[in-house]
Amino acid sequence: EAGVVQSPRYKIIEKKQPVAFWCNPISGHNTLYWYRQNLGQGPELLIRYENEEAVDDSQLPKDRFSAERLKGVDSTLKIQPAELGDSAVYLCASSFSDFSGNTIYFGEGSWLTVV
Amino acid sequence: AQRVTQPEKLLSVFKGAPVELKCNYSYSGSPELFWYVQYSRQRLQLLLRHISRESIKGFTADLNKGETSFHLKKPFAQEEDSAMYYCALSRYLNSGYSTLTFGKGTMLLVSP
Repeated sequence: EAGVVQSPRYKIIEKKQPVAFWCNPISGHNTLYWYRQNLGQGPELLIRYENEEAVDDSQLPKDRFSAERLKGVDSTLKIQPAELGDSAVYLCASSFSDFSGNTIYFGEGSWLTVV
Repeated sequence: AQRVTQPEKLLSVFKGAPVELKCNYSYSGSPELFWYVQYSRQRLQLLLRHISRESIKGFTADLNKGETSFHLKKPFAQEEDSAMYYCALSRYLNSGYSTLTFGKGTMLLVSP
């Protein structure tokens, strides 16, 4: 099994430019997460989807960040316009969720550098 | 608010030495704790979860609610254990679903 697939793996853009990241979760996983990991920090949740519905987006900077998960499978995370402080690794993860808990599987991450 | 604290950024030991990676948490509810590991050039992956009460790759972790800790231990470290270790806490949202809060991580270096 391929696991969680993310693209692009690496992206360098100038500030004020837009950028988009794509994620394909593990087949059958209804829950999808986007995390951001800054250098020297642990991952921080940006948004969580249960199927197509965003159930936790309280940490998503909505003035410049947007996400969608059409059809409850693939997801995209967009930043527009990017700022220098957005340089980080953007991790997508997925799990099969029920109320008894779940194991989260992570992708390899998309490394963003804003110059 | 929930918080996960890993006090050590780096832990360096020699092969065969015991290892203890510290994790403390604050959470008003009933916590579910995890340890995730990230080996060099690999993705973040689950190492163990407290409800499983299992030993993975020789690592164990016991939830101590009195001390609000979930330290990761291994009696004899191996060079292949060198990696970044993250403690994480699962908290339940009003919707009934859970989400993970991570600590900042501890880099474990095992020297020969």
